[in-house]
Amino acid sequence: DTAVSQTPKYLVTQMGNDKSIKCEQNLGHDTMYWYKQDSKKFLKIMFSYNNKELIINETVPNRFSPKSPDKAHLNLHINSLELGDSAVYFCASSPRTSAAYEQYFGPGTRLTVT
Amino acid sequence: AQKVTQAQTEISVVEKEDVTLDCVYETRDTTYYLFWYKQPPSGELVFLIRRNSFDEQNEISGRYSWNFQKSTSSFNFTITASQVVDSAVYFCALRTHNQGGKLIFGQGTELSVKP
Repeated sequence: DTAVSQTPKYLVTQMGNDKSIKCEQNLGHDTMYWYKQDSKKFLKIMFSYNNKELIINETVPNRFSPKSPDKAHLNLHINSLELGDSAVYFCASSPRTSAAYEQYFGPGTRLTVT
Repeated sequence: AQKVTQAQTEISVVEKEDVTLDCVYETRDTTYYLFWYKQPPSGELVFLIRRNSFDEQNEISGRYSWNFQKSTSSFNFTITASQVVDSAVYFCALRTHNQGGKLIFGQGTELSVKP
């Protein structure tokens, strides 16, 4: 019954590795997002997809590449991981891109780069 | 530019005290939406409330209440008779139509309710 799910919940890896985080929503929403929460708890948008189309791409390094195979899934692939990538990554979804709708968040993936 | 400021980084209260979390926002848009989210120690983000810019009515939900004042660009959140389970980080956020629907978050206020 989980609305927005993410896997894995924890990810520990070494610098230079490539890793992926998966997100799935079963709410029938059209829009999905990735947010990054840094060590000071600050939350910032990274990407947004609407019906598999990229609509927001904030100033995120090219090492981060989102992929949306269908509107229920939005995955995040990170190449050549760096220490500064350590953070909690949240996936979210909302019915539409309209600002009128709240966003529902997944449980987060805590990425630790050593 | 769109911005949300939560000036209180940390607040500590004793159980049963009332506490108000401040939120000040900036936007030039006339239509916008304000949100509060709760992040308990377990880490998930829980939606609490949405308020649109045309509705300045205050809202009460149990021990929670929200005071929206456009004149001061504030959307404050009050917890009455706080409980230990209210301990969490609370985020205020702004969303406008011309930003692709992204949420712009404040820095968060960490509330600690002690027994």
